[in-house]
Amino acid sequence: DTAVSQTPKYLVTQMGNDKSIKCEQNLGHDTMYWYKQDSKKFLKIMFSYNNKELIINETVPNRFSPKSPDKAHLNLHINSLELGDSAVYFCASSKPPGLAQYFGPGTRLTVL
Amino acid sequence: GQQVMQIPQYQHVQEGEDFTTYCNSSTTLSNIQWYKQRPGGHPVFLIQLVKSGEVKKQKRLTFQFGEAKKNSSLHITATQTTDVGTYFCAGGESNTGKLIFGQGTTLQVKP
Repeated sequence: DTAVSQTPKYLVTQMGNDKSIKCEQNLGHDTMYWYKQDSKKFLKIMFSYNNKELIINETVPNRFSPKSPDKAHLNLHINSLELGDSAVYFCASSKPPGLAQYFGPGTRLTVL
Repeated sequence: GQQVMQIPQYQHVQEGEDFTTYCNSSTTLSNIQWYKQRPGGHPVFLIQLVKSGEVKKQKRLTFQFGEAKKNSSLHITATQTTDVGTYFCAGGESNTGKLIFGQGTTLQVKP
């Protein structure tokens, strides 16, 4: 019954590796987001898709590539992981853009 | 670029005391949203304010949106230990739905 789910919950990996985080929502929402929350709890938008179209693409390194196979899924692939990528990554969704956002449980990424 | 500043960063109160967090934007906002994140948890939507000067209440929580739509506040009356967490304001852009989050205010409540 989870509204917004993410896998994995924890991800520990070595520098230089490539990893993916998956997100799924069963709310019937049109818009999905990826956020990065750093150690100081600062939440920053990275990407947003509306009906599978990219509508927000913040200044993040191009090692980060989102992919939305359908409205209910938004995945995040990260190439050549760096120490500074360590953070909690949250997926979120909303009905149209601009309304309440529902967040997933987060993926804690640790790069060693 | 657009910035949303939130103060204070931390607040420790005795249970039963009131608490307020303030949010200021460098530009006029289309709306303001408030979220609560419990320790180890994820942000949870509390409320959205859209109209200039709007005031909304949820039990002990009172939310205000400034007349110029550039500032907002969240006031909690008679805090309880269940209020512990980080409260974020987030300013909305009208065309993209992008939210610019404030830095958050972390509330600790001593029983």
